[in-house]
Amino acid sequence: DTGVSQNPRHKITKRGQNVTFRCDPISEHNRLYWYRQTLGQGPEFLTYFQNEAQLEKSRLLSDRFSAERPKGSFSTLEIQRTEQGDSAMYLCASSTSMRGDTQYFGPGTRLTVL
Amino acid sequence: QKEVEQNSGPLSVPEGAIASLNCTYSDRGSQSFFWYRQYSGKSPELIMSIYSNGDKEDGRFTAQLNKASQYVSLLIRDSQPSDSATYLCAVNDDKIIFGKGTRLHILP
Repeated sequence: DTGVSQNPRHKITKRGQNVTFRCDPISEHNRLYWYRQTLGQGPEFLTYFQNEAQLEKSRLLSDRFSAERPKGSFSTLEIQRTEQGDSAMYLCASSTSMRGDTQYFGPGTRLTVL
Repeated sequence: QKEVEQNSGPLSVPEGAIASLNCTYSDRGSQSFFWYRQYSGKSPELIMSIYSNGDKEDGRFTAQLNKASQYVSLLIRDSQPSDSATYLCAVNDDKIIFGKGTRLHILP
């Protein structure tokens, strides 16, 4: 399977706990993106990496959120002190670095904060 | 703030008919446009990409782009019940800006 993979697929946590999600991009893609999607909305951009460098962060990404891509391959997204408003589908996508290139999405991680 | 606008629907179309989905975008400098299909509980799946004015056809799907009017559309011919999904219009200028999506319902 050469597509984008995400783990876990589902996560249920209690408010105040920390959670971490992982994304493995398509192997030849050097760009990796994180999006968040809530019910009835399109996905909203959170942050993206080119290789290991984090090039842009959305204002949606509060200081409780941190993302890393230490070796330019897989990425992790951590949410500290989760809140009920963090409940959403977290989507990862990857692409080449050509401007406007197609982004391919992983299956997503659905987070439920109780 | 770059924006992509879509009618949220639902758009109901009889099976076998043509479904027409429309989208407008705010940034005149945008160059890359995409249509994604999303089934309930699943992630977006790329249907079409279009970069130049005019029409682009792929099987039952045709994407249309009019940069002067800042308008993108998707036509689905011979609509099937399996086409029932939310269709997301997207503009890509590094990160993707998505519309909220149009829910399409194909009536058997």
